[in-house]
Amino acid sequence: GDSVTQMEGPVTLSEEAFLTINCTYTATGYPSLFWYVQYPGEGLQLLLKATKADDKGSNKGFEATYRKETTSFHLEKGSVQVSDSAVYFCAIKAPGSYIPTFGRGTSLIVHP
Amino acid sequence: DAGVIQSPRHEVTEMGQEVTLRCKPISGHDYLFWYRQTMMRGLELLIYFNNNVPIDDSGMPEDRFSAKMPNASFSTLKIQPSEPRDSAVYFCASGSTDSGNSPLHFGNGTRLTVT
Repeated sequence: GDSVTQMEGPVTLSEEAFLTINCTYTATGYPSLFWYVQYPGEGLQLLLKATKADDKGSNKGFEATYRKETTSFHLEKGSVQVSDSAVYFCAIKAPGSYIPTFGRGTSLIVHP
Repeated sequence: DAGVIQSPRHEVTEMGQEVTLRCKPISGHDYLFWYRQTMMRGLELLIYFNNNVPIDDSGMPEDRFSAKMPNASFSTLKIQPSEPRDSAVYFCASGSTDSGNSPLHFGNGTRLTVT
């Protein structure tokens, strides 16, 4: 079945540091790829998505590129802020399916 | 749009009591999901509905758990009797089949503590 693997957390960074959170997936066909963010005390919310190979999703300074050849969708941000502290979930949705498969989540802690 | 609304936000109950969690999905969404989140197990899909019909409940941990969706604007997740290991944050999410690439919309969850 489909699966998503994310890097273990927590990831701890200083403000203005560069962020990468790795995500790789296993799926048949061309799934849609998503990053969700969960701030403390809240539910998950969509951060960005990409629906076909080489697409780049972006939002709030975060970016991720759909890499079919490496089955990856790594999340990056050039300069993190304290307010980016949250848990980040990578997810995929197979073609024709409305049921996403989520990774375990990666906690990001940004210090001033 | 008010988003997905869950109630209560927090629930503290004693072992053996019945607990009912409630969810109002986004109007027009035809999929509804119940998830459970714990530190140990992460985010687990319990059950999902399509057009108010339960499609897959294989994630429901035991017969103590049951879920209903009597209409398109309301769903409940019931635990009877509750046990301390049921302590977790329970999320409801809704989605639409209008686009296969549409994301899920989550509520803010119900934090359940069973003592």
